[in-house]
Amino acid sequence: AAGVIQSPRHLIKEKRETATLKCYPIPRHDTVYWYQQGPGQDPQFLISFYEKMQSDKGSIPDRFSAQQFSDYHSELNMSSLELGDSALYFCASSLGYEQYFGPGTRLTVT
Amino acid sequence: DQQVKQNSPSLSVQEGRISILNCDYTNSMFDYFLWYKKYPAEGPTFLISISSIKDKNEDGRFTVFLNKSAKHLSLHIVPSQPGDSAVYFCAASTQGGSEKLVFGKGTKLTVNP
Repeated sequence: AAGVIQSPRHLIKEKRETATLKCYPIPRHDTVYWYQQGPGQDPQFLISFYEKMQSDKGSIPDRFSAQQFSDYHSELNMSSLELGDSALYFCASSLGYEQYFGPGTRLTVT
Repeated sequence: DQQVKQNSPSLSVQEGRISILNCDYTNSMFDYFLWYKKYPAEGPTFLISISSIKDKNEDGRFTVFLNKSAKHLSLHIVPSQPGDSAVYFCAASTQGGSEKLVFGKGTKLTVNP
């Protein structure tokens, strides 16, 4: 069965640089979620989209923005990167109540 | 403030025995609960869920029990297998809202052969 695809899987950036993370949801899923998981932490909700419209926003810094495109893929844009942004970033998609997660993008900021 | 709590960071059981993972929550608005299994360097894998209108849901070796009055749920794995060794996250959401998941900090389960 098709799963959530995330790219890239690993990304290394320097402070103050910009990063773009991509997410391709499971076909026909109408909602996409982004989560951030710091080292030894639980995943924290960042933002979600339902049918290409932002549906909720969590503890997402103003330096981050996201959107969902007409083909339902989503991108998380992160600017002015800080060391504290180093984390695993997960995308999840859903059609009902269960969310299905991608493998994550490990972002390292040096 | 941690709204979903998994108070046991780790649990070790013998193969073939029962594994019981516990989760408590504080937000009475939560009405849907999920368990995820996570291996290192992979995304969380959905295991089983339960709606607040039920008190039990079973899927193969996995059973989730919900005690709403105590704001407590548990995941039972019977029989436990070495391949079950992973970090298990409890998550909760409020349906009808954004449905974002609020996670506990996870319990690392080790099943010894």
